[in-house]
Amino acid sequence: QSVLTQPPSVSGAPGQRVIISCTGSSTNIGTGYDVHWYQQFPGTAPKVLIYGNTNRPSGVPDRFSGSKSGTSASLAITGLQADDEADYYCQSYDNDLNIWIFGGGTRLTVL
Amino acid sequence: QLQLQESGSGLVKPSQTLSLTCAVSGGSISSGDYAWSWIRQTPGKGLEWLVYIYQSGSVYYNPSLKSRVSISEDTSKNHLSLRLRSVTAADTAVYYCARVGGNVTANNWFDPWGPGTQVTVSS
Repeated sequence: QSVLTQPPSVSGAPGQRVIISCTGSSTNIGTGYDVHWYQQFPGTAPKVLIYGNTNRPSGVPDRFSGSKSGTSASLAITGLQADDEADYYCQSYDNDLNIWIFGGGTRLTVL
Repeated sequence: QLQLQESGSGLVKPSQTLSLTCAVSGGSISSGDYAWSWIRQTPGKGLEWLVYIYQSGSVYYNPSLKSRVSISEDTSKNHLSLRLRSVTAADTAVYYCARVGGNVTANNWFDPWGPGTQVTVSS
């Protein structure tokens, strides 16, 4: 299993708000390393959605926001849209394993 | 706009060497401004960071693969190469190359990514 733990799936109706959690430990997020978030559609490569915990690349709607506290981080998506259906991954660094690490991914379903 | 494109051996026999290339366009890998990585994805293990190169030769390896993996830059062709030796079925994955975002620190992220290339290890 992944060093960063994410729920396998979340769902919400159009227009609603969902939150995807990413739980780490004292050797990664808890040490203060940044958390980044990616969105991946089937058959395509991941694309960065949030970097440096809270920053959105240009072109990413402000419906997407990131936060971090203690050993966890969260991705919030407001005003859910059908085309938000995708897999979402968190990423950080672990200083015990000495590697960049990813969460196991969360499948978002828009009902 | 920076674009990356992976290519290489799609089918590799067990114990042989996997060789992949990442062609970079819209930017130079020799500018020294960025680092570059290879990442793979499997249904079972998810996303796994493999290796990271910067400043034309400095390399970080995933310790679990260090004895088998190598990365190099060909600045004349503006591409990166990945070699993974002694492959097994566990190395079957989609392999991505990606530019490393931010300064060279542990707080790096990966952006953009190439579309990925499927590698299957099978006899």
